[in-house]
Amino acid sequence: DTEVTQTPKHLVMGMTNKKSLKCEQHMGHRAMYWYKQKAKKPPELMFVYSYEKLSINESVPSRFSPECPNSSLLNLHLHALQPEDSALYLCASSQERNEQFFGPGTRLTVL
Amino acid sequence: AQTVTQSQPEMSVQEAETVTLSCTYDTSESDYYLFWYKQPPSRQMILVIRQEAYKQQNATENRFSVNFQKAAKSFSLKISDSQLGDAAMYFCAYRSAKMGSSGGSNYKLTFGKGTLLTVNP
Repeated sequence: DTEVTQTPKHLVMGMTNKKSLKCEQHMGHRAMYWYKQKAKKPPELMFVYSYEKLSINESVPSRFSPECPNSSLLNLHLHALQPEDSALYLCASSQERNEQFFGPGTRLTVL
Repeated sequence: AQTVTQSQPEMSVQEAETVTLSCTYDTSESDYYLFWYKQPPSRQMILVIRQEAYKQQNATENRFSVNFQKAAKSFSLKISDSQLGDAAMYFCAYRSAKMGSSGGSNYKLTFGKGTLLTVNP
């Protein structure tokens, strides 16, 4: 299994809602990532988990809360988002020093 | 800090022809990795090719090859025999091979702004 899966594919939420994005990989990778991507722009790194511990937080607002329940799963909890948070959210995974494999993304719209 | 520059926001190529996408980068490090990623309109980011800086030989993957010029800090992607399915946004990316401040590997990728490739039938 060489893929990263993400659910849901699309999500529409209001500014007062709480929702979660999920990411899963079964490649035995020990690093997992969350990126935010706006249209026709490169991905922007949000968080990195290494061996299930938060390794990098790129000064992301607290309305985004990551969680890594185990080595295969990565969640991104969303609360009180703003319309400017609407974007494609990409999950990725990698082995220590190897390339990152990306999931298909969740298209998030905040109303 | 490292930077990656893709100077061609858009490129087009005729089907079956060859196209070269440019990428330059700036770093003071000697050991690093370079990547080309492809993101079709369906949005999934796919790794096209990878190059280790310590390797002098240019990487190739089927119709995709790179011209890696370390001294010039240039890493261009050549697509031969272009196909309609090659139409996508292409991102060049850099990753340091230096250990991170916490002692672990440096996980951060620095992306260029991307080149949108159109393939004309």
